[in-house]
Amino acid sequence: GAGVSQSPRYKVAKRGQDVALRCDPISGHVSLFWYQQALGQGPEFLTYFQNEAQLDKSGLPSDRFFAERPEGSVSTLKIQRTQQEDSAVYLCASSAPGLAGGLNEQFFGPGTRLTVL
Amino acid sequence: AQSVTQLDSHVSVSEGTPVLLRCNYSSSYSPSLFWYVQHPNKGLQLLLKYTSAATLVKGINGFEAEFKKSETSFHLTKPSAHMSDAAEYFCVVRDHSGSARQLTFGSGTQLTVLP
Repeated sequence: GAGVSQSPRYKVAKRGQDVALRCDPISGHVSLFWYQQALGQGPEFLTYFQNEAQLDKSGLPSDRFFAERPEGSVSTLKIQRTQQEDSAVYLCASSAPGLAGGLNEQFFGPGTRLTVL
Repeated sequence: AQSVTQLDSHVSVSEGTPVLLRCNYSSSYSPSLFWYVQHPNKGLQLLLKYTSAATLVKGINGFEAEFKKSETSFHLTKPSAHMSDAAEYFCVVRDHSGSARQLTFGSGTQLTVLP
């Protein structure tokens, strides 16, 4: 497909379970972002990759959250020992390489809605 | 540090009347500003962006926004609302300090268009 894809679209987990959320960015996009969107709120930044390097993980809320992008393409966001407060939509975005100092549009996927019971 | 305040959580207009969605920002450096729209079960879509060129920015679907530095505002407008404009709208800021590339979103404004 031409856009950013995410899977699964919906995930229900029991408290304490581990989950893995997948993001397929647009082909050729070197930058990849994860955001968390709680109900009724705007998305909040979690982490950022440039190719396979995780350059910023300042938004990850706890050490239960882990993200990887081993080959610089597909990324996985893993949440260990899920808690009810982890319930949210997890959004992935990618952007193309640009000129130094330039700003490229971030293209968003449809998100994965995680519900922790 | 950067932040965005969307002054209205809900806006309701009649079809064919003007739309005004208000946004104020705070940024330590000259920011880039965006408006994104989110339709139910769809991904966020960029409406328009300001990156220090013209202060009046035209976007898709007839939307415009004006950057006013003196007021630290970036309000979104449209002369005539359509039913298809009903969605959640997010004002977004990205400043250029350090190497930060992430976007900072406002809490969103839900636009309802009445027939």
